Formats: sequence, C-alpha cells, structure tokens
Amino acid sequence: EAAVTQSPRNKVAVTGGKVTLSCNQTNNHNNMYWYRQDTGHGLRLIHYSYGAGSTEKGDIPDGYKASRPSQENFSLILELATPSQTSVYFCASGDAGNYAEQFFGPGTRLTVL
Amino acid sequence: QEKVQQSPESLIVPEGAMVSLNCSFSDSASQSIWWYQQHPGKGPKALISIFSNGNKKEGRLTVYLNRASLHVSLHIKDSQPSDSAVYLCAVSMANTNKVVFGTGTRLQVLP
Repeated sequence: EAAVTQSPRNKVAVTGGKVTLSCNQTNNHNNMYWYRQDTGHGLRLIHYSYGAGSTEKGDIPDGYKASRPSQENFSLILELATPSQTSVYFCASGDAGNYAEQFFGPGTRLTVL
Repeated sequence: QEKVQQSPESLIVPEGAMVSLNCSFSDSASQSIWWYQQHPGKGPKALISIFSNGNKKEGRLTVYLNRASLHVSLHIKDSQPSDSAVYLCAVSMANTNKVVFGTGTRLQVLP
C-alpha cells in the first residue's frame, strides 16, 4: 500500500522562527501536495509539485515556500512563522492526472506561539 | 475557483441506519469526484470515486453523480460504529492536478 510519512508529527515554534515540515513518499508518485486543515475551512492547498525540482503555488501560498529535491521528498518551509499558521498540515502524493487518488500522510500539528 | 459545499455538517445515526451525505460543486467541467474518510488524528483516506454521470456501488457504499445539477451524494448502507468519521468530498479541477475539498460531514454512528 502507498506510504506517505511526515516529520515531525508535532511542532511548537515561536513567532518569527523558521519551520520546516518534511514529507517522504515511497510510491514513486509524480505529484505531491501540501495542505493545511482548519476547522470551518477544510483542506486547503498550499503548494504542490509535479516532480523533482518543480513547485507550484496552490490556493493559499502566502507565507510558505516549498522544496522538492527528489521524487520522494517534499518540504514545506515557513521562513517567518506567525500564529495564524497554527494548524494541522497534511502532505499527500498521487499519480498525475485528473482522476488520480491522493494518498495522505498522518499530519503534522504545528503550534506557533 | 471551484467551490465545494457539503451537507449536513454533522449527522448522528443508530447502527444499521442508511446514511446519506451530500456534496455540491460549482464547475460542470470538473473531472472526477472522490469521497475521503478521515478518522480523528489521521490523514484522509480515499473511499470511492466517480467520473461519469450515474451511480457506482462498492460494498456498502453507493455514490450518485448528477452533473446537470452539480451534485454528488454518498450513501452508506447498514452503517457501523467504525464508520464514525469525517467524510470529505473532493472535486478535481479540469486541466489541472489540483483538487478542491469540501469542509466535510462529521458522522457518528451510535451502537
């Protein structure tokens, strides 16, 4: 079965600090995604990637950067964390195409104080 | 921007009941609709998908898609306490690899 792992699982950061969330997938999927999930908003797309070296802006990219150094790894970077970025972050992977299922990781709970 | 709305927000049913969840979307050119199940503290997991008008049945799950009315529904037959979770409707946007998720329906099945 598809496997997507995330680290860390929980993170407490201070306002203005740098935070890096990591994601690894062993499915050899081309596409990877970063979402945040907040009550009342559901899952919202932050950044996504079509393959190693590519990153694309999603629907709410402000304050976030992404990096895809390899097929397996996709990172989300908060250069200057703010309390409004407190959320649960999910990484997902999937095959290319409009009909593809996405496979999600277990999530990272980030608290910015 | 595709908009996906789900109803009801929450639902409590007794074990064995038929459950009906609704999802409406705004773009008739949307390619596919997926339903995901999310248990507390876990990532979403895909349950069933539909691409063409009509219905699709897999086990206790049946999904109906009506593109003319921009509506899709998920029906769970003989619901079990283990079905208690949040159900997310996800609609793929045409000509992209992006998916828009609804805010979910929280289902509780009482033993």
